[in-house]
This record gives sequence, C-alpha cells and structure tokens, in this order.
Amino acid sequence: GAVVSQHPSRVICKSGTSVKIECRSLDFQATTMFWYRQFPKQSLMLMATSNEGSKATYEQGVEKDKFLINHASLTLSTLTVTSAHPEDSSFYICSAPHWGSYGELFFGEGSRLTVL
Amino acid sequence: QKEVEQNSGPLSVPEGAIASLNCTYSDRGSQSFFWYRQYSGKSPELIMSIYSNGDKEDGRFTAQLNKASQYVSLLIRDSQPSDSATYLCAVIGNNDMRFGAGTRLTVKP
Repeated sequence: GAVVSQHPSRVICKSGTSVKIECRSLDFQATTMFWYRQFPKQSLMLMATSNEGSKATYEQGVEKDKFLINHASLTLSTLTVTSAHPEDSSFYICSAPHWGSYGELFFGEGSRLTVL
Repeated sequence: QKEVEQNSGPLSVPEGAIASLNCTYSDRGSQSFFWYRQYSGKSPELIMSIYSNGDKEDGRFTAQLNKASQYVSLLIRDSQPSDSATYLCAVIGNNDMRFGAGTRLTVKP
C-alpha cells in the first residue's frame, strides 16, 4: 500500500532555534499534504494544507510565519517551526491523500518535538 | 456544529465484550468514511473504510454506514486489551478529510 515517511521521528531543540520536519510520499504523488499537531491526550488538530506549487492554506489561529510550509515537489512537503518555544512542544503528524477511486489518507509516523 | 462528531469517551468494556463506537457527520454529500486507530504517541492507522450503506465486516471489526441518518459506526467483537486506543472517525467530502475528536476505548482484562 501507499507509504508516507516522516523525518525526524524525534527532535529536541533549544528555545529560539528552528526545526524542519520532512514528509515524503514514497510511492505516489501527492499534490496535497496535511499537517496536524497533537497535544497529549487530545485529538489531531489540522494546522495547514500544503499544496504543491502554491501557498499553503492555514487553519484559523495557526501562525503562518511561525510554521513555514514548503511543498517543494509532488512527493515532499516540509514544516519548519521557526523560533521554537516550549509551548510548541508537540507531536506533529503529516498525511497525504491518495484519492484514487474513493480516497484514502496515509499518515507519516509523526515527529515528537521537544523544545527546551 | 462540528463537521464530524464522536463521543470522546472514555468507553470502557470488559475483555471479550462488543465495543460500539459511533460517529455522525454534517456534510450530506460525503462519500468516503474511515475508522483509524491511534495508540498513544503513535500515528493513526487505518483499520476500516466504508463507502456504501450497510455493514462491512473485516475480522473482529464491523463498520456500519447509514447515509440517510448521517452516521457511521464501528463494532469491535471479542474486544481485547490490545484494542485499547483512541478511535478516530474520518469523513471525506470535496477532496478534504475531516476527523472527529476521537473516542478513547479501554478494554479491561
């Protein structure tokens, strides 16, 4: 089946630094990818929709200048958390839809960010 | 009104019992429906998909869809402690997938 790979799985950084998370669709092309954030014991929260060749669409309340999204190719989207702070510590998950006949969403493994 | 609604739980059932998870959605034009399971600290994994009215069975799992009433459910028979997780209902409409908040299921030995 389709596979989405996310890297790194865990990252620890100092406050004020930037962290980049990569999301790749390994065996299919994804013109759209979704980025979610999940705090402990809470549900997935859609942050933004990444679109290949155009600007990302951000959900209300998500700072686009803080969470930079670049959909560089049909198989790669990146999320950069700029000037990270401890409150940005969370589980970040990407996903890519493989629409096909009906559509299905494939998730990356997730990235655990800890900001000290 | 939320687009996809689930009872947050927690839902607790004894081992061997049937766990019933429910989900309602607001977009009547939705065509594809999914149940994902998410263990703590892990990414969601797809366990069932259903596209037409009625029941769909896969092992111990049965998905039920009723488009007229706009609900989709998941039944887990012979529940096992390893089924303890959060179950997310997801609905596709207009090339956009929306998730419910998830129902936390605990299966007690």
